[in-house]
Amino acid sequence: SQTIHQWPATLVQPVGSPLSLECTVEGTSNPNLYWYRQAAGRGLQLLFYSVGIGQISSEVPQNLSASRPQDRQFILSSKKLLLSDSGFYLCAWSTQNTIYFGEGSWLTVV
Amino acid sequence: AQSVTQPDIHITVSEGASLELRCNYSYGATPYLFWYVQSPGQGLQLLLKYFSGDTLVQGIKGFEAEFKRSQSSFNLRKPSVHWSDAAEYFCAVGRSGGGADGLTFGKGTHLIIQP
Repeated sequence: SQTIHQWPATLVQPVGSPLSLECTVEGTSNPNLYWYRQAAGRGLQLLFYSVGIGQISSEVPQNLSASRPQDRQFILSSKKLLLSDSGFYLCAWSTQNTIYFGEGSWLTVV
Repeated sequence: AQSVTQPDIHITVSEGASLELRCNYSYGATPYLFWYVQSPGQGLQLLLKYFSGDTLVQGIKGFEAEFKRSQSSFNLRKPSVHWSDAAEYFCAVGRSGGGADGLTFGKGTHLIIQP
């Protein structure tokens, strides 16, 4: 069966520091991959999605970026974090038009 | 563009009572619709989905949802809630029909269960 792993689970970073959140999917090949952010009271916002290695679609202008160096690996990055980047970040993958989520990463920018 | 509205931010239900969570969507064609549940600090778990066919779909944990095209609704129901059902519930629609390029979510409904 397919599983999705996301880490770190919790992160506290100072303003201006870099960020790297990593996500891997097991048990499937060539999945669509997604990064969502959930900020308090604002629901879930699609940040990036990828349909293949090196193919990234950005949905929201921001200081975040995403990369897909391998088929089942999806990385969310920032060079300099802002306070407004705080939130709950969720990686997800899809098959047959259905999206499945990881356990999420809590990011607090201080 | 597609959108999802969950009119109820909070709902309080007594344990054992029936539940209905409302969801209205805006989408030009036949939508792909989903309900997810999120426990505090956790990721989202898929409860059920509708793509086509029978408009009443069954999901996990005893949940069901009914697609009503005339009302642009996809309400979630459960005949008898348990304390473990307390969570945040999200309705979502596929951004371009299917969910392959992501989902648009409603803002969620927080379900509180009274003993």
